[in-house]
Amino acid sequence: DAGITQSPRHKVTETGTPVTLRCHQTENHRYMYWYRQDPGHGLRLIHYSYGVKDTDKGEVSDGYSVSRSKTEDFLLTLESATSSQTSVYFCAISGEPNTEAFFGQGTRLTVV
Amino acid sequence: RKEVEQDPGPFNVPEGATVAFNCTYSNSASQSFFWYRQDCRKEPKLLMSVYSSGNEDGRFTAQLNRASQYISLLIRDSKLSDSATYLCVVVPGAGSYQLTFGKGTKLSVIP
Repeated sequence: DAGITQSPRHKVTETGTPVTLRCHQTENHRYMYWYRQDPGHGLRLIHYSYGVKDTDKGEVSDGYSVSRSKTEDFLLTLESATSSQTSVYFCAISGEPNTEAFFGQGTRLTVV
Repeated sequence: RKEVEQDPGPFNVPEGATVAFNCTYSNSASQSFFWYRQDCRKEPKLLMSVYSSGNEDGRFTAQLNRASQYISLLIRDSKLSDSATYLCVVVPGAGSYQLTFGKGTKLSVIP
């Protein structure tokens, strides 16, 4: 299995609080992604990174920010958590364009 | 038209049956195609890539039809362990690194 670790694996937080999710990879892959998965919507891209300090928005980026200061770490921050951000968050990595991505085990986030 | 569309199912099939899933995509410039498998409450895992010439991996066969813009997955001799959600994934263009996912097709193999 690809070396991808997400932390935390589960989190319950209150509305209005900031939350940071971490994705750590040991594969030295250039591309990293954050997805959220919700019933009826499938996997939707939040943000992605194509190198250190190079990031861009996906289709559902509102309310989220990211940072990548090292190749191996990609952080997703919910600036002020809302109940609509209750979801399962997956980090993924890929090495080259047009190639498959490998996923972390996911973070189950509940905003109450 | 959505970028990647799949029949959500569920497909309920008996053990030993053959089952096929189709997936259509809207971007004719799409370059790469994959099938992923996702078990309940787990991460998606790559099942197989889909090549223009078609490819086979054991009981699984993937086909690409560029003219009609669809890909297919055929599972022969279904096993109970094949029960999962199957995700169709498309990379929209040359040099692109963003994967676009279908919503998935749920398969239940019944004893």
